[in-house]
Amino acid sequence: KAGVTQTPRYLIKTRGQQVTLSCSPISGHRSVSWYQQTPGQGLQFLFEYFSETQRNKGNFPGRFSGRQFSNSRSEMNVSTLELGDSALYLCASSFGRGLAFFGQGTRLTVV
Amino acid sequence: GQQLNQSPQSMFIQEGEDVSMNCTSSSIFNTWLWYKQDPGEGPVLLIALYKAGELTSNGRLTAQFGITRKDSFLNISASIPSDVGIYFCAGQEEYGNKLVFGAGTILRVKS
Repeated sequence: KAGVTQTPRYLIKTRGQQVTLSCSPISGHRSVSWYQQTPGQGLQFLFEYFSETQRNKGNFPGRFSGRQFSNSRSEMNVSTLELGDSALYLCASSFGRGLAFFGQGTRLTVV
Repeated sequence: GQQLNQSPQSMFIQEGEDVSMNCTSSSIFNTWLWYKQDPGEGPVLLIALYKAGELTSNGRLTAQFGITRKDSFLNISASIPSDVGIYFCAGQEEYGNKLVFGAGTILRVKS
């Protein structure tokens, strides 16, 4: 069974631009959660999607958004990038409510 | 945001020694999870705990879910060089799959 796949692995963007990250969950998993990992703040929850609906949301500004498609794949978008958005963005997939399995992450650098 | 108190922050031990780390929270969690993260990778699930007082083992790893559901510990016996990495505890909230993470314990092993 393939694991959680995140693309791209690395990304460099300029301040003010926007970015879209992609996550393909484990086959059969309908829940996808997104996390931001930085040295200063650690792992912080962004949001969770289940069956194409946002089920939970963390304390991030509206520049951070996401969506989930009918095949459970998810994307997250960050608009008007700031230097502080540089981070490792991790996606986790779960079957219903249960264990969360993480992808390798997308390393975003904002310059 | 809400975060678990994880200690110690780092450990530098001799190969073959046992290791112990713990997490505490002011909130009750229904599930506690322990993850290990290697540099440049996503967290890998080690152990999941579901019931207060539960003690679970996975090879050389043993974890316990505190009776009050506000704490957990992880023990690693007879450490080996590949145990090096960052260990995170995570509490899963009652609704959905949101995880709240500790700040991590950095483990270094001298061979």
